[in-house]
Amino acid sequence: DIQLTQSPSSLSASVGDRVTITCRASQRINNYLNWYQQKPGKAPKPLIFSASNLQSGVPSRFSGSASGTDFTLTISSLQPEDSATYFCQQTFSNPLWTFGPGTKVEIK
Amino acid sequence: EVQLVESGGGLVQPGGSLRLSCAVSGFVVSSDYMTWVRQAPGKGLECVSMIYSGGSTFFADSVKGRFTISKYNSENTLYLQMDSLRAEDTAVYYCARIKHNAFDVWGQGTMVIVSS
Repeated sequence: DIQLTQSPSSLSASVGDRVTITCRASQRINNYLNWYQQKPGKAPKPLIFSASNLQSGVPSRFSGSASGTDFTLTISSLQPEDSATYFCQQTFSNPLWTFGPGTKVEIK
Repeated sequence: EVQLVESGGGLVQPGGSLRLSCAVSGFVVSSDYMTWVRQAPGKGLECVSMIYSGGSTFFADSVKGRFTISKYNSENTLYLQMDSLRAEDTAVYYCARIKHNAFDVWGQGTMVIVSS
């Protein structure tokens, strides 16, 4: 099974900061990596698919990149509404796709 | 507008059964891959079942043999039949559509509590 790890598990940053979250896969997944944002009591919201493609309607301050088995979600300028937990998901190994454990982002 | 609305959650005793529904609007359930994802209180996300447009079904090991996924095209609804429920099945259950190898539309979730 493919395992995903995320770092950090939580972070606190100020409005306007550049924030980076990393997701590492236990084996090569050929950019089959998605990112979701989840706020308390709400369903996850898709942000990025296939490592670097922004879902429709997602602000351009969110971006994704990949390097081998390491994937990065970047928020270029953190906004108050970005306070949430962020999950990565691999869709390389069919049929059931797994999620990372999540990174909680808080605003200072 | 594309929308998914889950229902059917509730409190059930261990060993009991529940059927979750996911009413689909804005697209035809028969034409897309669909999935059920659960989230135990304070925990992460787990994809428990998936159904392809052709009808092939898949289940996580944790629910295999106890859960059944189906879709009724005439009702444009996705279902999750959950039998032999256990305390560890307690979670919010979400249905979602699969597009571009991602879960692009999610329902609001329905809570299942398994407890005596």
